[in-house]
Amino acid sequence: DADVTQTPRNRITKTGKRIMLECSQTKGHDRMYWYRQDPGLGLRLIYYSFDVKDINKGEISDGYSVSRQAQAKFSLSLESAIPNQTALYFCATSDAMGAGELFFGEGSRLTVL
Amino acid sequence: TQLLEQSPQFLSIQEGENLTVYCNSSSVFSSLQWYRQEPGEGPVLLVTVVTGGEVKKLKRLTFQFGDARKDSSLHITAAQPGDTGLYLCAGPRTRGANNLFFGTGTRLTVIP
Repeated sequence: DADVTQTPRNRITKTGKRIMLECSQTKGHDRMYWYRQDPGLGLRLIYYSFDVKDINKGEISDGYSVSRQAQAKFSLSLESAIPNQTALYFCATSDAMGAGELFFGEGSRLTVL
Repeated sequence: TQLLEQSPQFLSIQEGENLTVYCNSSSVFSSLQWYRQEPGEGPVLLVTVVTGGEVKKLKRLTFQFGDARKDSSLHITAAQPGDTGLYLCAGPRTRGANNLFFGTGTRLTVIP
């Protein structure tokens, strides 16, 4: 089983719908992240959390919200999806005491029609 | 404004050829990481470079960190089809932080 699991892996939805992407990890890491990947733009940070009580905005947080339900779980929500939120979304974790390596899930491909 | 610019954006070469991809910035980074991402998967760390001028080798891959810690390069010798993927460089947004800023990526295709 993967150390960082994302669900769903693929989702097609309509404009205005609420969408939740979920991430769970078995690595025991405190730090969790949500990134968005678009062609030619690399990975851009949406939100990150350094522990259960800590939530921080990244560079593109508008239109998104997150919840850190437990050390192992970090969910990303789109309250009212719009077409330009069509992208590949990645959850990642890292060890606060480590050298900064990120461990990624396999990604969630979201299409907003 | 992108802090980390990668070039080329796309590269298609024949098996056995050598190649170099670049990661450049106007900012100084305390460290840089290189990741490889294969289709349908998340990025996986290849190496972290920390010291200006540092060279690290990982089998046929050679990574170099610029003396001024503003740039890095990845050289692949005798490329193989298994090297195909998206290569991403990344650096910490602030010193000591591991919320990384990623470059735009180089998509490499090695043709058998």
